[in-house]
Amino acid sequence: AQKVTQAQTEISVVEKEDVTLDCVYETRDTTYYLFWYKQPPSGELVFLIRRNSFDEQNEISGRYSWNFQKSTSSFNFTITASQVVDSAVYFCALSGDSNYQLIWGAGTKLIIKP
Amino acid sequence: SQTIHQWPATLVQPVGSPLSLECTVEGTSNPNLYWYRQAAGRGLQLLFYSVGIGQISSEVPQNLSASRPQDRQFILSSKKLLLSDSGFYLCAWSASRAGGWDEQFFGPGTRLTVL
Repeated sequence: AQKVTQAQTEISVVEKEDVTLDCVYETRDTTYYLFWYKQPPSGELVFLIRRNSFDEQNEISGRYSWNFQKSTSSFNFTITASQVVDSAVYFCALSGDSNYQLIWGAGTKLIIKP
Repeated sequence: SQTIHQWPATLVQPVGSPLSLECTVEGTSNPNLYWYRQAAGRGLQLLFYSVGIGQISSEVPQNLSASRPQDRQFILSSKKLLLSDSGFYLCAWSASRAGGWDEQFFGPGTRLTVL
């Protein structure tokens, strides 16, 4: 069965520190997609990235970077030089089967202290 | 550009009362539409999804129902609310190119409190 595990329930760091959010997934599909979403205190989920299973290149977007490793079934998210505005709940998700579903992790609450 | 609207933003309803939450999408055609619920401090639970007008799939049996009367309109309803229906309800859309593989874009959500 497909599953996404975000073992870190809550992380708290001081501003400007680097922080990595872990995501481990399980799937038997050979073709699949992985996603990260951010949910700030306002509640609306914001799409951050989509990665397909055939592309293991790391992605960097400004202070954000993602490390996809099929060997360990992980898709970790790193924020460099964190800022208070990065405080949010971050969700990792995995494409489901043909039922148009996403399999969601439980989320990691990130607190950036000034 | 595409926009997704949800209303109301907040709602307080007594137990046993009916519910109707509306979601509309602009700027795209034939989207896949989704209703999620998020309990306080918890993850996302998919309630319903729709791949076309009148086509609704339910993921969790409960006293909620969904309808899609128009291509870009998705409605979540209940005849009688329960206390356990309290939560944050999110509507989302994705392009219909491939099932489950396109990113979903979310509306601002409705915070429902059942008293």
